[in-house]
Amino acid sequence: GAVVSQHPSRVICKSGTSVKIECRSLDFQATTMFWYRQFPKKSLMLMATSNEGSKATYEQGVEKDKFLINHASLTLSTLTVTSAHPEDSSFYICSALRWGQGQETQYFGPGTRLLVL
Amino acid sequence: DAKTTQPPSMDCAEGRAANLPCNHSTISGNEYVYWYRQIHSQGPQYIIHGLKNNETNEMASLIITEDRKSSTLILPHATLRDTAVYYCTYTNAGKSTFGDGTTLTVKP
Repeated sequence: GAVVSQHPSRVICKSGTSVKIECRSLDFQATTMFWYRQFPKKSLMLMATSNEGSKATYEQGVEKDKFLINHASLTLSTLTVTSAHPEDSSFYICSALRWGQGQETQYFGPGTRLLVL
Repeated sequence: DAKTTQPPSMDCAEGRAANLPCNHSTISGNEYVYWYRQIHSQGPQYIIHGLKNNETNEMASLIITEDRKSSTLILPHATLRDTAVYYCTYTNAGKSTFGDGTTLTVKP
């Protein structure tokens, strides 16, 4: 099966600091990855589409200067939460698109729980 | 955005079949229906997908209506470990929009 990893699995940081989250496709190459955020008891909210070798596409209402996305290789995308504040505390999940049998399927990472103090 | 509608919650007895419905009336002819599930505090897990024919894999079966406006995910013999939130979705320009999903509770 397609495996996607995230690192770290959980992180606690002080308000005002920056946090980087990595998303890796371990056994396939992904030109496109997605970043989601999920609050307790809520559904996944798409934040941005990460494209290898080009700028990310952000959803409406998501600040691109606050949530920096870099997709420098076909197996790695990173999300950096800059100047984090307590309201940024959330569960961040990435997914990678894998091409097969005529269409692309999203495979998700295990998520990263961010707590900003 | 690609929108789907699912019942907020369902219960199922252990060992019985769980049938989870989804409405996707705005789906286009070449868009696939995907089902995922999310167990508490984990990333979503891919279950199955289909275009217009019924599909079956080791996890579940997917029944898609002829007009493709709705589908049903079937877990043939639900176990306690199948308790999760189940999402159906379809892609639009490669993106999937997740609705609120159905919380399936499998009871002993």
